[in-house]
Amino acid sequence: AQSVSQHNHHVILSEAASLELGCNYSYGGTVNLFWYVQYPGQHLQLLLKYFSGDPLVKGIKGFEAEFIKSKFSFNLRKPSVQWSDTAEYFCAVNARKAAGNKLTFGGGTRVLVKP
Amino acid sequence: GAVVSQHPSRVICKSGTSVKIECRSLDFQATTMFWYRQFPKKSLMLMATSNEGSKATYEQGVEKDKFLINHASLTLSTLTVTSAHPEDSSFYICSARKEGSGSYNEQFFGPGTRLTVL
Repeated sequence: AQSVSQHNHHVILSEAASLELGCNYSYGGTVNLFWYVQYPGQHLQLLLKYFSGDPLVKGIKGFEAEFIKSKFSFNLRKPSVQWSDTAEYFCAVNARKAAGNKLTFGGGTRVLVKP
Repeated sequence: GAVVSQHPSRVICKSGTSVKIECRSLDFQATTMFWYRQFPKKSLMLMATSNEGSKATYEQGVEKDKFLINHASLTLSTLTVTSAHPEDSSFYICSARKEGSGSYNEQFFGPGTRLTVL
């Protein structure tokens, strides 16, 4: 079974700082990779996804993520954060051979951006 | 768009009672919906996969007699927490899978239901 780990539980940074959130997964087969964001009081929203092709994926709101197959990683980045990026971020993995498109989520990272 | 709603958003109940939570896909049909449980400061744990017209598939360790799932139509799945106890208090989130042309059909998430059992 696959598992997903996110290295940071909490991140606090100031506006305009750069953000990088780590995500590693364990699964030997082919995967689809996702980053979701949950703003305070709101539902989960998809930030970006990787299925195949260019390992550098660009998502909404200026976020990007890089898939490094050799490291089993899919780290999320944003060059300059805004106060509105305060949210919880979840990395998720779908093993392509898994029936039903099941997602396995990481533990989440709470990001607080100070104005 | 792909909007998923949940009702109710919050529910407080007494220990021993049953609570039903609805998950609806508002603008698309979903043969498959998923139910997750989110503990405080923790991630989403998949509880079960709800399949329209057939029995749900439960993840290991989830009691199917405790968490009854009914996927009665292509836009509605319900989760009933039977004989609820305080340890069932949690945030329950559903998602609906939107069928597409690719190999992966994206899940869209509902806003969640906060269950508190007294």
